[in-house]
Amino acid sequence: DVKVTQSSRYLVKRTGEKVFLECVQDMDHENMFWYRQDPGLGLRLIYFSYDVKMKEKGDIPEGYSVSREKKERFSLILESASTNQTSMYLCASSFNSRAGGKLFFGSGTQLSVL
Amino acid sequence: KNEVEQSPQNLTAQEGEFITINCSYSVGISALHWLQQHPGGGIVSLFMLSSGKKKHGRLIATINIQEKHSSLHITASHPRDSAVYICAASLEGLTFGKGTHLIIQP
Repeated sequence: DVKVTQSSRYLVKRTGEKVFLECVQDMDHENMFWYRQDPGLGLRLIYFSYDVKMKEKGDIPEGYSVSREKKERFSLILESASTNQTSMYLCASSFNSRAGGKLFFGSGTQLSVL
Repeated sequence: KNEVEQSPQNLTAQEGEFITINCSYSVGISALHWLQQHPGGGIVSLFMLSSGKKKHGRLIATINIQEKHSSLHITASHPRDSAVYICAASLEGLTFGKGTHLIIQP
């Protein structure tokens, strides 16, 4: 089975801290995605990557950056965390297809910024 | 940008009932995904389809490309089907619906 692993299930950080959310997949997927999920807003795409060292902005990239140095790892970085970044963060991966292959999700990281 | 609408937002039904969740999108797509999210749990992909119909156990997904509409059906519903069901339209990235919160009562 494909496994997408997010490094933390729960995180509590202070305003202004730099926050790293890590995601690792073990099925050699080309595509990786970072979403945030908020009540009433559904899933929103922050950033995605179709290949190593490649990144593209999603719908809500402001306040975030990403890194993909290795194919299996896609990191989401909050340069200076703010309270409005309190959310559930979900990582996903799929095989290469700009049309979108079947998605595999991590279990999510609930981030609270105080 | 694709707009994805799901209905209903909330659905409560009795065990054994036939369930239908609808998804409409505004722009032609390459594929439509149905996802399931249990409370406190991760998201599981149920179906990815670009035409016709797919079936897995008691779950059936259909799509009508001309009408830009997809449905997810659950036959003989069971309390363990209680979850949020999310559709997502794929075209140069994914656009998600806001989800349907389904509760199946015993």
